[in-house]
Amino acid sequence: GENVEQHPSTLSVQEGDSAVIKCTYSDSASNYFPWYKQELGKRPQLIIDIRSNVGEKKDQRIAVTLNKTAKHFSLHITETQPEDSAVYFCAARLNTGFQKLVFGTGTRLLVSP
Amino acid sequence: DTEVTQTPKHLVMGMTNKKSLKCEQHMGHRAMYWYKQKAKKPPELMFVYSYEKLSINESVPSRFSPECPNSSLLNLHLHALQPEDSALYLCASSPDYSLNEQFFGPGTRLTVL
Repeated sequence: GENVEQHPSTLSVQEGDSAVIKCTYSDSASNYFPWYKQELGKRPQLIIDIRSNVGEKKDQRIAVTLNKTAKHFSLHITETQPEDSAVYFCAARLNTGFQKLVFGTGTRLLVSP
Repeated sequence: DTEVTQTPKHLVMGMTNKKSLKCEQHMGHRAMYWYKQKAKKPPELMFVYSYEKLSINESVPSRFSPECPNSSLLNLHLHALQPEDSALYLCASSPDYSLNEQFFGPGTRLTVL
């Protein structure tokens, strides 16, 4: 089936702390996993992505890890800043049937100064 | 030009109106998409244009009809919409037919009265 579960739904951290958001997917044929950041009233922005032939990818303060066996992938943000506050969506590319990105339900991250 | 543009930004229409949303990209991307996003929900795919053909998510009602005049333009024609169709309509494009690396436009905020 097509399902991406995302946790937590809300996450509050202090500036400088780390934040971790976790997703689980159901389609074992999925092989592409992007993360989007959406600020209030703005478009979703692609911040990092990972393909199934890689276990980890890092870009400055942002990293994504993928466990294909467990069908888990996670977003890690270190040294959080108030401007990191937004809704974060994970997604998985569905490769069976109608190909599309299936999005998680979103995590609202609030970074307090 | 590294953007996906959408017009109009806002649209208010009655249930008997006919209107169109427009999307344009000049990045030479080979695939374009229409998504619908309700408040506090993830984007949901409506249509994909790739391999020079349109693919339709079967759950999308026929009152939405896409049109692709050329490889950089994707329109969405609206007719006899319902109040529950009120949402943010996002256009996206990706470099190739893999459906990876999708970049979103700013969206059209649609209100159906």
